[in-house]
Amino acid sequence: KAGVTQTPRYLIKTRGQQVTLSCSPISGHRSVSWYQQTPGQGLQFLFEYFSETQRNKGNFPGRFSGRQFSNSRSEMNVSTLELGDSALYLCASRQTSGGYNEQFFGPGTRLTVL
Amino acid sequence: QKEVEQDPGPLSVPEGAIVSLNCTYSNSAFQYFMWYRQYSRKGPELLMYTYSSGNKEDGRFTAQVDKSSKYISLFIRDSQPSDSATYLCAFPGYSSASKIIFGSGTRLSIRP
Repeated sequence: KAGVTQTPRYLIKTRGQQVTLSCSPISGHRSVSWYQQTPGQGLQFLFEYFSETQRNKGNFPGRFSGRQFSNSRSEMNVSTLELGDSALYLCASRQTSGGYNEQFFGPGTRLTVL
Repeated sequence: QKEVEQDPGPLSVPEGAIVSLNCTYSNSAFQYFMWYRQYSRKGPELLMYTYSSGNKEDGRFTAQVDKSSKYISLFIRDSQPSDSATYLCAFPGYSSASKIIFGSGTRLSIRP
């Protein structure tokens, strides 16, 4: 079974631009979560989508948004990029939103903002 | 006070040594306790999870939880160079199991 895939793997943008990252979950998984990983703040939860609806949200500004499509694929968008948005963005999928079931992470998209 | 505290290391030990990695947490509502391993340029992968106090063993890995002290540990026996990675303790959020709260990670290097 294929794992979680993320595209692109690397991205360079300049301040003020916007960016869209894509995530394809494991087949059959309906929950997709996004995380930001930086050396200073570590791994932080951004939001979770399940059945095309945002279920949970972390403490990030409104510049960070996402969506999920009917095939469970998800996109994350960051508008008006800031230098501090440089990070590894990780997507994770799991079968359902409720209860405990293992999350599987993708390899991440490394975003550099210049 | 941060919800989860983890020594960032780096920690360097010789091959074959026993490694001890630790985290403390402040939220008594945490019910599940997890350890993730992250290799360079890869996403984290779940190594072990437990929901009770005591020890849980899986091969060379042992997860230990002490809820009364809010302290969790991961022990690696007979460490191998392939164990070189960053290890993150993690706690599914009390409002949602997807909202995982991670420790900062300990970078471990096993010297051949």
